[in-house]
Amino acid sequence: AQRVTQPEKLLSVFKGAPVELKCNYSYSGSPELFWYVQYSRQRLQLLLRHISRESIKGFTADLNKGETSFHLKKPFAQEEDSAMYYCALKSGGWGKLQFGAGTQVVVTP
Amino acid sequence: GAGVSQSPSNKVTEKGKDVELRCDPISGHTALYWYRQSLGQGLEFLIYFQGNSAPDKSGLPSDRFSAERTGGSVSTLTIQRTQQEDSAVYLCASSFDGNQPQHFGDGTRLSIL
Repeated sequence: AQRVTQPEKLLSVFKGAPVELKCNYSYSGSPELFWYVQYSRQRLQLLLRHISRESIKGFTADLNKGETSFHLKKPFAQEEDSAMYYCALKSGGWGKLQFGAGTQVVVTP
Repeated sequence: GAGVSQSPSNKVTEKGKDVELRCDPISGHTALYWYRQSLGQGLEFLIYFQGNSAPDKSGLPSDRFSAERTGGSVSTLTIQRTQQEDSAVYLCASSFDGNQPQHFGDGTRLSIL
């Protein structure tokens, strides 16, 4: 069965410290993984997709098929990074996304 | 419009009533999705429309839930005989096609008294 696991509900870090949000998935086929972010009082928006292999707002994420992980990392957290982050899996040719439970990130000065 | 538009933004209704939630996707987007965001269940997929194909209804939680997409554009999610567990934020998203990133609306916050 498909599953997306984000083990941390809340991640509290200091400004300037590294931050890593964990995401593990289970899927038998070739997965497509995404990170979505929801800032306070804003709509859910795409942050990263693994096929793009890009860095957005200083965040990167690498798909590790051996470990079935797609962890999100940023070397130096900023206060504006405080938000809810969701890892999502798109399976096969269908467009629907399966989301993890989300990780609330709080960056304190 | 510039983005996905959902209405109403908030809806409060009594248990047992029917509700209709509306989604206007981004112009030109052929794929449209409904999700539900609730405290206990997180973000759940409900239904997916792609062009003229039959919709993927696999995420609808019960037969009280239905959705239509008229003319390949606007979609309406209908919940009949609402229950308190239906209280959630209902999100709509659209994408150019099923392979492109999804753009989300602000959602409709539904509260069942």
